[in-house]
Amino acid sequence: TQLLEQSPQFLSIQEGENLTVYCNSSSVFSSLQWYRQEPGEGPVLLVTVVTGGEVKKLKRLTFQFGDARKDSSLHITAAQPGDTGLYLCAGRQTGANNLFFGTGTRLTVIP
Amino acid sequence: NAGVTQTPKFQVLKTGQSMTLQCAQDMNHEYMSWYRQDPGMGLRLIHYSVGAGITDQGEVPNGYNVSRSTTEDFPLRLLSAAPSQTSVYFCASSYAGTRWGGELFFGEGSRLTVL
Repeated sequence: TQLLEQSPQFLSIQEGENLTVYCNSSSVFSSLQWYRQEPGEGPVLLVTVVTGGEVKKLKRLTFQFGDARKDSSLHITAAQPGDTGLYLCAGRQTGANNLFFGTGTRLTVIP
Repeated sequence: NAGVTQTPKFQVLKTGQSMTLQCAQDMNHEYMSWYRQDPGMGLRLIHYSVGAGITDQGEVPNGYNVSRSTTEDFPLRLLSAAPSQTSVYFCASSYAGTRWGGELFFGEGSRLTVL
């Protein structure tokens, strides 16, 4: 059973376009993280959100945590080829030691 | 600073063979974990440890053993390899557990094929 479902699974866009990736669950999380993974490497943390409704910006990337802390979104403005990679959301339930990862969104930005 | 080091990077096994994937971190992290990554399924937790001498099961522990005799090392043992264990395995560590939203630091992965 996958606690976190991401959509879309694959996304191929032209350089300069905007995109949004979604991470949804029926469970409540105390915090949610987004990681990016490039081929042959491990995931690297982009951001952590902990408050319902929280919005964080990292240059052209905007992350939002849902009000009910069950979902999150990642919006990229004016995508660049360097944004290409696998984007993974990961949530932690209250009192738990572990992160549960989403199914992943593979983004390709075409120059 | 090496971070999290996994060996080997690639391994081919025959069904029924056993092997150990090594993981070492030099950041003095208390929390260490093993994940497997399969297409379309993200990362699934196999086993984790919150400190030396303490281990626990994750989502998919069957067929795997772990031990944590030191803070630095967290090896993953495949007892009798099966084709279903063909995957990419990642070791990850974090300071003082992940209870407070701490960052997971990952190794580069070990790609295992079981024939």
